[in-house]
Amino acid sequence: RKEVEQDPGPFNVPEGATVAFNCTYSNSASQSFFWYRQDCRKEPKLLMSVYSSGNEDGRFTAQLNRASQYISLLIRDSKLSDSATYLCVGVLSNSGYALNFGKGTSLLVTP
Amino acid sequence: NAGVTQTPKFQVLKTGQSMTLQCAQDMNHEYMSWYRQDPGMGLRLIHYSVGAGITDQGEVPNGYNVSRSTTEDFPLRLLSAAPSQTSVYFCASSGSGQYSNYGYTFGSGTRLTVV
Repeated sequence: RKEVEQDPGPFNVPEGATVAFNCTYSNSASQSFFWYRQDCRKEPKLLMSVYSSGNEDGRFTAQLNRASQYISLLIRDSKLSDSATYLCVGVLSNSGYALNFGKGTSLLVTP
Repeated sequence: NAGVTQTPKFQVLKTGQSMTLQCAQDMNHEYMSWYRQDPGMGLRLIHYSVGAGITDQGEVPNGYNVSRSTTEDFPLRLLSAAPSQTSVYFCASSGSGQYSNYGYTFGSGTRLTVV
């Protein structure tokens, strides 16, 4: 069982919609979390870090709830270019701070 | 800066052959790691390193060796290739581990097919 669980989707939304992705983690020792974006046949790229206080970057908002072991990503005013797979990622403090990936959530934004 | 450079980008091996996937970074990062990505499985950690001379196993280390003789380089060796090692391999590096707000930077990947 993966320690980081995500709904695989796919999420199909129209341009301009607001979409939310959720992620849960089971390792309470995980201290840091990120959202990565991966385009088809490309490497993962860091989208944003996730903090308990929330983190907003333009149309993107990420939130961490440590009590519920729950992480979210909200995308407002979706663009066609937002179509990608979004990876919820925890840092493995017991493995040299390497990354522990969820399987990803696929998003397709349509015209 | 080139970031994280992986070579080769594509490779086809026969079962039983060995090869080395190269990974180099020019950002003076201490933390480096290797992942494989398979359909339906997501990215899984193979080996990682927290600095030159220090390596350890991740989730799926069997069939792979690593070494870290310099800060810049972190090669991944396949000892005797098997069809189950057909995958996309990513190398990544990070500057400050747990306290990094910048996460890891990834190389562009090596697509390996074992026949």
